[in-house]
Amino acid sequence: DAGITQSPRHKVTETGTPVTLRCHQTENHRYMYWYRQDPGHGLRLIHYSYGVKDTDKGEVSDGYSVSRSKTEDFLLTLESATSSQTSVYFCATAGQTNTGELFFGEGSRLTVL
Amino acid sequence: GENVEQHPSTLSVQEGDSAVIKCTYSDSASNYFPWYKQELGKRPQLIIDIRSNVGEKKDQRIAVTLNKTAKHFSLHITETQPEDSAVYFCAASKGYSTLTFGKGTMLLVSP
Repeated sequence: DAGITQSPRHKVTETGTPVTLRCHQTENHRYMYWYRQDPGHGLRLIHYSYGVKDTDKGEVSDGYSVSRSKTEDFLLTLESATSSQTSVYFCATAGQTNTGELFFGEGSRLTVL
Repeated sequence: GENVEQHPSTLSVQEGDSAVIKCTYSDSASNYFPWYKQELGKRPQLIIDIRSNVGEKKDQRIAVTLNKTAKHFSLHITETQPEDSAVYFCAASKGYSTLTFGKGTMLLVSP
């Protein structure tokens, strides 16, 4: 494992509330990613980062924002959570290039009521 | 962008049988094709990958084949065991672009 921890691991919240998920890594990996996993949809990329303060959108970025102020931390924020954002969220990292193995965190299960 | 189709969505085999999962991709420039295994309640983990300069790669009971002309690649698991039961994801990328994943195949191996 690449020393990736996600917090919180489980969260239940109400529609319209803000939510922040945190990903922390200890491997000094340059690339960090947020995916969501839903039945029948596989893993879909939300946002990714290729360095401190360098981020870009993935295929399902609407309703999400990210920040990376330090190499080790990548935050995913839902400004106003909706029921469609109920999902399992995985953080992943890659080393100095993004052309190899992704290392995933344990996942964060978010339920929006 | 890249589109990856994965089949079947569910695969049931008897212990000892072989299992094959197939993926097709849309972007002929894609050159990296990994496979991830996700056990129930766990994180996805890389089990094997292949780059476009080779046609086949093996690692013990698992192998991946790549047909660039047809734009498809496959995962082969021989002598399946109950611990092979999991969801398997294929993925594709080109250059320094991000990975695009297939929707996954749930493999069930019955004793």
